[in-house]
Amino acid sequence: DQQVKQNSPSLSVQEGRISILNCDYTNSMFDYFLWYKKYPAEGPTFLISISSIKDKNEDGRFTVFLNKSAKHLSLHIVPSQPGDSAVYFCAAELGSQGNLIFGKGTKLSVKP
Amino acid sequence: DSGVTQTPKHLITATGQRVTLRCSPRSGDLSVYWYQQSLDQGLQFLIQYYNGEERAKGNILERFSAQQFPDLHSELNLSSLELGDSALYFCASSIRPSNSPLHFGNGTRLTVT
Repeated sequence: DQQVKQNSPSLSVQEGRISILNCDYTNSMFDYFLWYKKYPAEGPTFLISISSIKDKNEDGRFTVFLNKSAKHLSLHIVPSQPGDSAVYFCAAELGSQGNLIFGKGTKLSVKP
Repeated sequence: DSGVTQTPKHLITATGQRVTLRCSPRSGDLSVYWYQQSLDQGLQFLIQYYNGEERAKGNILERFSAQQFPDLHSELNLSSLELGDSALYFCASSIRPSNSPLHFGNGTRLTVT
């Protein structure tokens, strides 16, 4: 049973617009959440993280929002650029165990 | 470049064989993780080491084993290989054993024929 779900396998956005990637989780004991970006033939690259004690974290064009009551996480990319085209994974850590549980990814395509 | 180095990049071997995958973590990182990514599967956690000691275990098969050496590099040993073991194997490292981003290498693609 998937504990971290990314229900949209793909998303297409116009350059300059906002990209919103979504992630749902089932375990309320998750206390640390992360987003990764992955290009073909490379390993996942860390983008941004958020602790369960916060509801928002920003880093440049990337903002992560956490809604604990809905068990929902989202990543906003503004403005989107063609170089952002990649597969995005959300991940969660359970009670400081260290290992991350990953969703299956959403492929983002940003069109010029 | 994440600073995590994995060798080899590609490995082709036959069923029943044994292989060793190698990982050098980022400088200063004490924790090493191994993940498997198969077709249609997300990243599946295998095992974590922290400063030479096993810290957490995921769904790692008994045919698989790993260790972290005093210089902090790690090896993942896969034995009695089956066709279904064909996958991308990623190593990651982090500075702390928890609540810390993992930084991934570019993976080893294992093909079992």
